[in-house]
Amino acid sequence: AQSVTQLGSHVSVSEGALVLLRCNYSSSVPPYLFWYVQYPNQGLQLLLKYTSAATLVKGINGFEAEFKKSETSFHLTKPSAHMSDAAEYFCAVSEGTNAGKSTFGDGTTLTVKP
Amino acid sequence: DTGVSQDPRHKITKRGQNVTFRCDPISEHNRLYWYRQTLGQGPEFLTYFQNEAQLEKSRLLSDRFSAERPKGSFSTLEIQRTEQGDSAMYLCASSPGLAGLNEQFFGPGTRLTVL
Repeated sequence: AQSVTQLGSHVSVSEGALVLLRCNYSSSVPPYLFWYVQYPNQGLQLLLKYTSAATLVKGINGFEAEFKKSETSFHLTKPSAHMSDAAEYFCAVSEGTNAGKSTFGDGTTLTVKP
Repeated sequence: DTGVSQDPRHKITKRGQNVTFRCDPISEHNRLYWYRQTLGQGPEFLTYFQNEAQLEKSRLLSDRFSAERPKGSFSTLEIQRTEQGDSAMYLCASSPGLAGLNEQFFGPGTRLTVL
């Protein structure tokens, strides 16, 4: 079984400040981990993915995430927030190359204040 | 590559009616997924196909729900005798399968409102 917990349903930062969105996972086998972003009334767009290669993963729009097996975490960060980063962010876990489905967290809404 | 498309984008129906949604995946993607997303929650897995074979179905997929992918290309999701609890965003995603290491590409979704 697999699950994802996103700590904090709402995060608010000032423009230019550090963004930190937290994700903890549970998986019975080595996981694949993903972060997606969703803008209002749109589908999900992949930001980055961890697939058992480098533990520090760089994605689009300046985001990165670090896989920490000992902490079962995959937190998303960005050094400097931009107004356009305001959106909902989802962490997801998938088990292995033959798994079909991803299990998503409940999401974190990021607000960026001017 | 035009991305995953879904039709319609919005559907309003009365309780008890049947509805059908269509998903066109990225060409040559052999995996296709359906998810349901309600307000304030992440997408919940419903079912997925490898080519035309339906390989897994969630317990969320009651007998009122049926999905098909007859030729391994587009897919349809039908809900019979809709209930107000079916109101949600229905998301479709496709994946190249093993070669893509489970990366899924999502469509814009179909928002269903059951009155």
